[in-house]
Amino acid sequence: DARVTQTPRHKVTEMGQEVTMRCQPILGHNTVFWYRQTMMQGLELLAYFRNRAPLDDSGMPKDRFSAEMPDATLATLKIQPSEPRDSAVYFCASGLDVATADTQYFGPGTRLTVL
Amino acid sequence: DQQVKQNSPSLSVQEGRISILNCDYTNSMFDYFLWYKKYPAEGPTFLISISSIKDKNEDGRFTVFLNKSAKHLSLHIVPSQPGDSAVYFCAASMPNSGYALNFGKGTSLLVTP
Repeated sequence: DARVTQTPRHKVTEMGQEVTMRCQPILGHNTVFWYRQTMMQGLELLAYFRNRAPLDDSGMPKDRFSAEMPDATLATLKIQPSEPRDSAVYFCASGLDVATADTQYFGPGTRLTVL
Repeated sequence: DQQVKQNSPSLSVQEGRISILNCDYTNSMFDYFLWYKKYPAEGPTFLISISSIKDKNEDGRFTVFLNKSAKHLSLHIVPSQPGDSAVYFCAASMPNSGYALNFGKGTSLLVTP
Protein backbone atom coordinates (compact mmCIF):
# COMPACT_ATOMS: atom_id res chain seq x y z
CA ASP A 1 0.00 0.00 0.00
CA ALA A 2 2.03 2.94 -1.31
CA ARG A 3 1.66 6.12 0.70
CA VAL A 4 3.25 9.49 1.10
CA THR A 5 4.82 9.73 4.54
CA GLN A 6 5.54 12.90 6.44
CA THR A 7 7.56 13.47 9.60
CA PRO A 8 7.06 14.74 12.18
CA ARG A 9 3.29 14.55 12.43
CA HIS A 10 3.24 17.27 15.08
CA LYS A 11 5.79 19.92 15.95
CA VAL A 12 5.63 22.57 18.66
CA THR A 13 8.44 25.06 18.69
CA GLU A 14 9.26 28.53 19.86
CA MET A 15 9.49 31.58 17.68
CA GLY A 16 12.92 31.94 16.11
CA GLN A 17 13.69 28.23 16.03
CA GLU A 18 14.46 26.30 12.88
CA VAL A 19 11.87 23.77 11.74
CA THR A 20 12.47 21.00 9.23
CA MET A 21 9.63 18.93 7.81
CA ARG A 22 10.29 15.81 5.78
CA CYS A 23 8.35 13.99 3.11
CA GLN A 24 8.89 10.65 1.47
CA PRO A 25 7.03 10.58 -1.84
CA ILE A 26 5.56 7.41 -3.29
CA LEU A 27 8.25 5.37 -5.02
CA GLY A 28 8.24 6.11 -8.72
CA HIS A 29 6.49 9.47 -8.46
CA ASN A 30 8.45 12.32 -10.01
CA THR A 31 6.48 15.35 -8.86
CA VAL A 32 6.35 16.63 -5.29
CA PHE A 33 4.18 19.44 -3.99
CA TRP A 34 4.15 21.29 -0.67
CA TYR A 35 0.86 22.82 0.50
CA ARG A 36 -0.04 24.69 3.66
CA GLN A 37 -3.47 24.74 5.28
CA THR A 38 -4.56 27.58 7.54
CA MET A 39 -7.97 28.71 8.69
CA MET A 40 -7.64 32.02 6.90
CA GLN A 41 -6.15 30.93 3.58
CA GLY A 42 -7.28 27.34 3.29
CA LEU A 43 -4.95 25.07 1.31
CA GLU A 44 -2.31 27.00 -0.58
CA LEU A 45 0.56 25.83 -2.74
CA LEU A 46 4.03 26.64 -1.45
CA ALA A 47 6.34 24.90 -3.91
CA TYR A 48 6.61 22.02 -6.31
CA PHE A 49 9.28 19.89 -7.89
CA ARG A 50 9.52 17.76 -10.98
CA ASN A 51 12.31 15.19 -11.21
CA ARG A 52 13.81 16.82 -8.08
CA ALA A 53 14.12 20.20 -9.78
CA PRO A 54 12.20 23.09 -8.23
CA LEU A 55 9.70 24.45 -10.74
CA ASP A 56 7.81 26.99 -8.71
CA ASP A 57 8.28 28.25 -5.18
CA SER A 58 6.47 31.55 -5.62
CA GLY A 59 4.04 30.63 -2.84
CA MET A 60 6.78 30.55 -0.21
CA PRO A 61 8.08 33.45 1.86
CA LYS A 62 11.58 33.45 0.39
CA ASP A 63 13.34 35.00 3.30
CA ARG A 64 12.54 32.21 5.75
CA PHE A 65 11.29 29.18 3.82
CA SER A 66 13.31 26.78 1.71
CA ALA A 67 12.36 23.55 -0.04
CA GLU A 68 14.73 20.94 -1.38
CA MET A 69 14.85 17.40 -2.70
CA PRO A 70 18.22 15.94 -1.73
CA ASP A 71 17.25 12.72 -3.50
CA ALA A 72 14.22 11.12 -5.13
CA THR A 73 13.03 9.63 -1.84
CA LEU A 74 13.16 12.75 0.31
CA ALA A 75 11.73 16.24 0.14
CA THR A 76 12.30 18.79 2.89
CA LEU A 77 10.65 22.05 3.84
CA LYS A 78 12.61 24.23 6.19
CA ILE A 79 11.58 27.37 8.07
CA GLN A 80 14.28 29.50 9.63
CA PRO A 81 13.50 31.44 11.71
CA SER A 82 9.95 30.30 12.47
CA GLU A 83 7.22 32.77 13.42
CA PRO A 84 3.80 32.28 15.07
CA ARG A 85 2.07 33.06 11.74
CA ASP A 86 3.72 29.92 10.30
CA SER A 87 1.46 27.79 12.50
CA ALA A 88 -0.46 25.59 10.10
CA VAL A 89 -0.73 22.07 8.73
CA TYR A 90 1.82 21.40 6.03
CA PHE A 91 0.98 18.76 3.44
CA CYS A 92 3.26 17.06 0.99
CA ALA A 93 1.82 15.42 -2.11
CA SER A 94 3.48 13.36 -4.80
CA GLY A 95 2.34 12.41 -8.25
CA LEU A 96 3.16 11.21 -11.71
CA ASP A 97 4.02 13.75 -14.34
CA VAL A 98 1.08 13.01 -16.58
CA ALA A 99 -1.47 15.20 -18.26
CA THR A 100 -3.91 15.32 -15.38
CA ALA A 101 -3.81 16.23 -11.73
CA ASP A 102 -5.62 13.08 -10.58
CA THR A 103 -2.45 11.36 -9.55
CA GLN A 104 -1.54 13.62 -6.65
CA TYR A 105 -1.47 11.69 -3.41
CA PHE A 106 -1.31 13.57 -0.14
CA GLY A 107 0.54 12.70 3.01
CA PRO A 108 -1.11 13.00 6.44
CA GLY A 109 0.45 16.40 7.10
CA THR A 110 2.68 17.98 9.72
CA ARG A 111 0.85 20.15 12.23
CA LEU A 112 3.19 22.97 13.19
CA THR A 113 2.62 25.23 16.17
CA VAL A 114 5.00 28.14 16.68
CA LEU A 115 4.67 29.75 20.11
CA ASP B 1 -6.46 36.34 -4.13
CA GLN B 2 -8.67 33.29 -3.95
CA GLN B 3 -9.17 31.95 -7.46
CA VAL B 4 -11.31 29.03 -6.32
CA LYS B 5 -14.17 29.80 -3.98
CA GLN B 6 -16.46 27.65 -1.92
CA ASN B 7 -18.94 30.04 -0.39
CA SER B 8 -20.67 27.58 1.91
CA PRO B 9 -18.45 26.65 4.88
CA SER B 10 -20.83 23.94 5.98
CA LEU B 11 -23.76 21.83 4.84
CA SER B 12 -26.01 19.43 6.72
CA VAL B 13 -28.02 16.78 4.88
CA GLN B 14 -30.13 13.84 5.95
CA GLU B 15 -28.98 10.35 5.10
CA GLY B 16 -30.42 9.20 1.78
CA ARG B 17 -30.94 12.71 0.44
CA ILE B 18 -28.86 14.53 -2.13
CA SER B 19 -25.85 16.63 -1.10
CA ILE B 20 -24.90 19.46 -3.43
CA LEU B 21 -21.61 21.22 -2.90
CA ASN B 22 -20.80 24.29 -4.97
CA CYS B 23 -17.62 25.88 -6.20
CA ASP B 24 -16.83 28.96 -8.27
CA TYR B 25 -13.60 29.94 -9.97
CA THR B 26 -12.26 33.11 -11.51
CA ASN B 27 -9.34 32.04 -13.69
CA SER B 28 -10.43 31.03 -17.19
CA MET B 29 -7.07 29.29 -17.71
CA PHE B 30 -8.08 26.45 -15.42
CA ASP B 31 -8.74 23.38 -17.51
CA TYR B 32 -9.06 20.62 -14.95
CA PHE B 33 -11.20 20.52 -11.85
CA LEU B 34 -11.15 18.12 -8.95
CA TRP B 35 -12.91 17.38 -5.72
CA TYR B 36 -10.98 16.14 -2.72
CA LYS B 37 -12.38 14.72 0.47
CA LYS B 38 -10.65 15.21 3.80
CA TYR B 39 -11.15 13.57 7.16
CA PRO B 40 -9.65 15.05 10.35
CA ALA B 41 -5.94 14.35 10.86
CA GLU B 42 -5.60 12.98 7.33
CA GLY B 43 -4.47 14.42 4.04
CA PRO B 44 -6.97 15.17 1.27
CA THR B 45 -7.90 12.21 -0.91
CA PHE B 46 -8.95 12.48 -4.52
CA LEU B 47 -12.65 11.93 -5.16
CA ILE B 48 -13.60 12.86 -8.71
CA SER B 49 -12.44 15.15 -11.47
CA ILE B 50 -13.62 16.74 -14.68
CA SER B 51 -11.86 18.15 -17.69
CA SER B 52 -12.95 21.48 -19.11
CA ILE B 53 -14.02 19.76 -22.32
CA LYS B 54 -16.81 17.97 -20.46
CA ASP B 55 -19.80 19.22 -18.54
CA LYS B 56 -20.49 16.13 -16.46
CA ASN B 57 -18.60 13.24 -14.94
CA GLU B 58 -20.13 10.48 -12.90
CA ASP B 59 -18.59 7.90 -10.59
CA GLY B 60 -21.02 5.84 -8.57
CA ARG B 61 -22.84 8.10 -6.13
CA PHE B 62 -20.72 11.10 -7.07
CA THR B 63 -21.35 13.39 -10.04
CA VAL B 64 -19.52 16.58 -10.87
CA PHE B 65 -21.09 19.19 -13.13
CA LEU B 66 -19.15 21.95 -14.84
CA ASN B 67 -20.64 25.15 -16.22
CA LYS B 68 -17.76 26.90 -17.95
CA SER B 69 -19.70 29.99 -18.95
CA ALA B 70 -20.63 30.57 -15.32
CA LYS B 71 -17.23 29.39 -14.04
CA HIS B 72 -19.09 27.13 -11.67
CA LEU B 73 -18.92 23.50 -10.71
CA SER B 74 -20.86 21.37 -8.31
CA LEU B 75 -20.54 17.99 -6.68
CA HIS B 76 -23.67 15.90 -6.20
CA ILE B 77 -23.72 12.97 -3.81
CA VAL B 78 -26.72 10.70 -4.14
CA PRO B 79 -27.71 9.11 -1.86
CA SER B 80 -25.75 10.71 0.97
CA GLN B 81 -24.40 8.41 3.65
CA PRO B 82 -23.08 9.18 7.16
CA GLY B 83 -19.61 8.09 6.01
CA ASP B 84 -19.63 10.96 3.54
CA SER B 85 -19.32 13.40 6.44
CA ALA B 86 -16.02 15.17 5.79
CA VAL B 87 -14.61 18.40 4.44
CA TYR B 88 -14.81 18.63 0.66
CA PHE B 89 -12.34 20.75 -1.24
CA CYS B 90 -12.80 21.95 -4.76
CA ALA B 91 -9.55 22.38 -6.70
CA ALA B 92 -8.53 23.58 -10.12
CA SER B 93 -5.37 23.31 -12.15
CA MET B 94 -3.86 24.43 -15.41
CA PRO B 95 -1.26 22.69 -17.55
CA ASN B 96 1.44 25.34 -17.42
CA SER B 97 1.68 25.09 -13.63
CA GLY B 98 2.68 21.46 -13.50
CA TYR B 99 -0.87 20.67 -12.44
CA ALA B 100 -0.34 22.19 -9.01
CA LEU B 101 -3.71 22.58 -7.36
CA ASN B 102 -5.55 25.76 -6.47
CA PHE B 103 -7.93 24.90 -3.66
CA GLY B 104 -11.11 26.41 -2.31
CA LYS B 105 -11.43 26.76 1.46
CA GLY B 106 -13.62 23.71 1.77
CA THR B 107 -17.18 22.83 2.73
CA SER B 108 -17.81 20.71 5.79
CA LEU B 109 -20.53 18.19 5.02
CA LEU B 110 -22.46 16.53 7.80
CA VAL B 111 -24.78 13.67 6.87
CA THR B 112 -27.17 12.89 9.69
CA PRO B 113 -28.91 9.53 10.16
